[in-house]
Amino acid sequence: DVKVTQSSRYLVKRTGEKVFLECVQDMDHENMFWYRQDPGLGLRLIYFSYDVKMKEKGDIPEGYSVSREKKERFSLILESASTNQTSMYLCATCDLSTDTQYFGPGTRLTVL
Amino acid sequence: AQSVTQLDSHVSVSEGTPVLLRCNYSSSYSPSLFWYVQHPNKGLQLLLKYTSAATLVKGINGFEAEFKKSETSFHLTKPSAHMSDAAEYFCVVSGKGGSYIPTFGRGTSLIVHP
Repeated sequence: DVKVTQSSRYLVKRTGEKVFLECVQDMDHENMFWYRQDPGLGLRLIYFSYDVKMKEKGDIPEGYSVSREKKERFSLILESASTNQTSMYLCATCDLSTDTQYFGPGTRLTVL
Repeated sequence: AQSVTQLDSHVSVSEGTPVLLRCNYSSSYSPSLFWYVQHPNKGLQLLLKYTSAATLVKGINGFEAEFKKSETSFHLTKPSAHMSDAAEYFCVVSGKGGSYIPTFGRGTSLIVHP
């Protein structure tokens, strides 16, 4: 089974802090994704990566950056956290042979 | 370009009655279509997928969906709802190729009454 893990289930940070959300997969998938999920808005793509050191902006990249130094790890960075970044953050990988995504359990981030 | 519309933000049923969650899509390619389920405070789990084989797709937990190209629909059904089916359901469309970027619907919250 594919396993996607996220470093924290719950996180509380203060406005202006730099925040790192880590995602690790164990299935050697090239594509990885970061989404945020808000009630009534579904999942919105922040960034995705299709290879090591390669990244593409999604629909809502403002205020975020990403890092992919190793194939199994994809990090989301909030350079200066703001209250409107309070949300659920979901990481996913994709098996290109089946077009199927696999999701981590999510990190619920609260910015005070 | 591709898009997906889930026609209902909430669906409420009684336990033991049928479930219908509606999804319409548009895609410039031959699409792959998925339904994912998310239980409270959990990540998303794949329910079923259509990838140009049989148009009637069976998934886990008794769910199934039918791909109708003429109606650009991929509705999710279950003959008899259980309390454990209460969750958020997402319809997803994707194209094919190396730059796979799926598009999510906004989700349908399924409420199951005893």
